[in-house]
Amino acid sequence: ETGVTQTPRHLVMGMTNKKSLKCEQHLGHNAMYWYKQSAKKPLELMFVYSLEERVENNSVPSRFSPECPNSSHLFLHLHTLQPEDSALYLCASSPRLAVHTDTQYFGPGTRLTVL
Amino acid sequence: TQLLEQSPQFLSIQEGENLTVYCNSSSVFSSLQWYRQEPGEGPVLLVTVVTGGEVKKLKRLTFQFGDARKDSSLHITAAQPGDTGLYLCAGANAGNNRKLIWGLGTSLAVNP
Repeated sequence: ETGVTQTPRHLVMGMTNKKSLKCEQHLGHNAMYWYKQSAKKPLELMFVYSLEERVENNSVPSRFSPECPNSSHLFLHLHTLQPEDSALYLCASSPRLAVHTDTQYFGPGTRLTVL
Repeated sequence: TQLLEQSPQFLSIQEGENLTVYCNSSSVFSSLQWYRQEPGEGPVLLVTVVTGGEVKKLKRLTFQFGDARKDSSLHITAAQPGDTGLYLCAGANAGNNRKLIWGLGTSLAVNP
């Protein structure tokens, strides 16, 4: 138990569906992250939030839409996804932003399959 | 573009054996982190190394950061089945601390 929870753990959706991934951290951290983990690729940073403000968007397609309503919650809204978007989506948090020695605490991930 | 190469990609050993996995780059990093990821879970931090030449020990795991801060190694003594998992290294650059550079990982299986 890392203090970061993600729901759902598994999700199967069609290309025309709309769904949302939820992340909650109970650690009092200021920074939150969305990552994509695909086979044979390094972890890809998608979005970074600091104190509810988006500070980084790494050229992610608009079919992925993040939302951070408060410093404890992070959502990833999904719509009209493609099969190549199938992957493990990981949420992480850290005490502060841009401190390279800070630990990132990861949730267990959502395994997404797009049909 | 900064890259981190991890080797070997896969490793299957018997309980009690020793092993070393590597994380190499042509770039200098401000710090380097090692994570272990078990199936169905997210990565969990094992250690952060910051100083060139630094050696850190965590029970049976020994981590070393290269003198030039371009590479790192993880040595496990007397491996146990509980050590099974994906070992990931991630480098941080002082110029862009918010974005870690990740390796592909070494998938380790320790058989009883």
